[in-house]
Amino acid sequence: NAGVMQNPRHLVRRRGQEARLRCSPMKGHSHVYWYRQLPEEGLKFMVYLQKENIIDESGMPKERFSAEFPKEGPSILRIQQVVRGDSAAYFCASSPDSSGTSPGELFFGEGSRLTVL
Amino acid sequence: AQRVTQPEKLLSVFKGAPVELKCNYSYSGSPELFWYVQYSRQRLQLLLRHISRESIKGFTADLNKGETSFHLKKPFAQEEDSAMYYCALPSGGSNYKLTFGKGTLLTVNP
Repeated sequence: NAGVMQNPRHLVRRRGQEARLRCSPMKGHSHVYWYRQLPEEGLKFMVYLQKENIIDESGMPKERFSAEFPKEGPSILRIQQVVRGDSAAYFCASSPDSSGTSPGELFFGEGSRLTVL
Repeated sequence: AQRVTQPEKLLSVFKGAPVELKCNYSYSGSPELFWYVQYSRQRLQLLLRHISRESIKGFTADLNKGETSFHLKKPFAQEEDSAMYYCALPSGGSNYKLTFGKGTLLTVNP
């Protein structure tokens, strides 16, 4: 099992461009979570998705950010018109369910580091 | 609001010495708490959870409700313990919406 796969690992964008980050969950996992880690900060929850459904987007900025997890293919975190403050590490995690037998155990990817020039 | 504080950004000890990574939290109710670890060039992974009362890789953590702490301890540190450690607390009544501390980078010197 390759684990949670994220790409790209590093992404550089200029202000105003769009950034797309992709995440494939672990095999057998149907729940995907996105977290953001700003420099010198802890990870912060952004959004929780299941296939074709956004379950909880309470941590998503109201503008420019969107996420999806289509029936086929990876989950996508999309940031439109990026600004310097979007520079961060974006981590995807997955789990077999949202509570289940291992509450709090999320399986993380290696992260995508976005740099906005 | 839930909050997790890890007061030490960096912690350096010698091999064989005891180590304690501090974590304090603010939470109304009975919290579940977790320690996650990220070794160099590896993914963030769950180390232990307080509800399991387990010892993983020689580490233990005891929940002290009076002091609102969940410090991670190991009596004899090993070089392979060098890593970034994060304390985490579920928020919003869910098990997936974790509030993480800023992390402590532990370095175990030979």
